[in-house]
Amino acid sequence: DAGITQSPRHKVTETGTPVTLRCHQTENHRYMYWYRQDPGHGLRLIHYSYGVKDTDKGEVSDGYSVSRSKTEDFLLTLESATSSQTSVYFCAISESRDSGETQYFGPGTRLLVL
Amino acid sequence: SQQGEEDPQALSIQEGENATMNCSYKTSINNLQWYRQNSGRGLVHLILIRSNEREKHSGRLRVTLDTSKKSSSLLITASRAADTASYFCATDRGGFQKLVFGTGTRLLVSP
Repeated sequence: DAGITQSPRHKVTETGTPVTLRCHQTENHRYMYWYRQDPGHGLRLIHYSYGVKDTDKGEVSDGYSVSRSKTEDFLLTLESATSSQTSVYFCAISESRDSGETQYFGPGTRLLVL
Repeated sequence: SQQGEEDPQALSIQEGENATMNCSYKTSINNLQWYRQNSGRGLVHLILIRSNEREKHSGRLRVTLDTSKKSSSLLITASRAADTASYFCATDRGGFQKLVFGTGTRLLVSP
């Protein structure tokens, strides 16, 4: 596996609480991504980053924010968690923005919002 | 919006048999990638095929791409129990590398 870790790996929280998920990489890759995976939807891009402090929205960004203060860390924050945000969240990295570049995925975080 | 749709959603075969899964997509692409996901794990890149390629091989994997039909297929030959996983296609329309993933095919290979 590429040097990508996600924390926590599992989390149960209550509706309305803020939640922050962390992605940490040791590959020094410039590009980082957050996806969510839900049955019947595959993986959907939430936000991505193309450098320190450079981020942009993906397909399903509502209710999520991100920050990247260091190359190795990309944080995903659910400002006020809702039950619809119950999902498995994956972080991914890539070395370049070239079309066809492989993305490497972390092990995922299972989030349950009650 | 979903770009890729895999077919079938689930496939169950015996060890030694071949497994074929298909991916259809909606818009023109620069390339198409296939990823594997073992249960409870992240996705792992398997193979990439560019829009100007029609077929590509990697070990027991064979991928085809038909841009006129906007479809791709992944063939795994001589399947093994260890091939049990979900398989996803991901399309890349160029520009910044944002992949759009399909919904996946769950493959079960029984010993």
